[in-house]
Amino acid sequence: EIVLTQSPGTLSLSPGERATLSCRASQSISSSYLAWYQQKPGQAPRLLIYGASSRATGIPDRFSGSGSGTDFTLTISRLEPEDFAVYYCQQYGRSHTFGGGTKVEIK
Amino acid sequence: EVQLVESGGVVVQPGGSLRLSCAASGFTFDDYTMHWVRQAPGKGLEWVSLIAWDGGATSYADSVDGRFTISRDNSKNSLYLQMNSLRTEDTALYYCAKDSSSSSLGEYFHHWGQGTLVTVSS
Repeated sequence: EIVLTQSPGTLSLSPGERATLSCRASQSISSSYLAWYQQKPGQAPRLLIYGASSRATGIPDRFSGSGSGTDFTLTISRLEPEDFAVYYCQQYGRSHTFGGGTKVEIK
Repeated sequence: EVQLVESGGVVVQPGGSLRLSCAASGFTFDDYTMHWVRQAPGKGLEWVSLIAWDGGATSYADSVDGRFTISRDNSKNSLYLQMNSLRTEDTALYYCAKDSSSSSLGEYFHHWGQGTLVTVSS
């Protein structure tokens, strides 16, 4: 099983700041089969990024994904009030696993 | 608009059984692989199971393999999860999710329902 480790567990930032979230895999993920999701309290997750760097339909361009192999990053260039949420990475290269999540909270 | 509506979540005793349903609309259901994903209260996401577009391939997380069975009825645009030998650790919000493809291995989760809560408790 591929284990995904997300860091940090919590990120405390102010609106307008840049957020950098990390997702590290226990083994290489083939073909960059990695996705990112956003989840707000009481809501279902929402797809942000797939294929490590492709934005899903309707996702603002302040969200970007990068990385390959075992190290992946989600960057939010300038945090908007609605971006404070929990973010999960997911690999689909070998079965399916999620990372433990990173909470982005208002500082 | 894609809609996924889960139902069937209740309080059940350990060792009991339950069947969850997911009604799909707004897309061609039999073109896509479908999944169940769960989230224990206050915890992260855990993939549970997938079924290919035609029901010809299924896959399960180790934690539920042998106890849960996924199925679908394409004539009814519906997805199901039969849950047997339930344990307290199966307590979670169960989401139905539409895959991005018809792949028998599944890819990423393009759309999600709002979930149905299963509580396993005596």
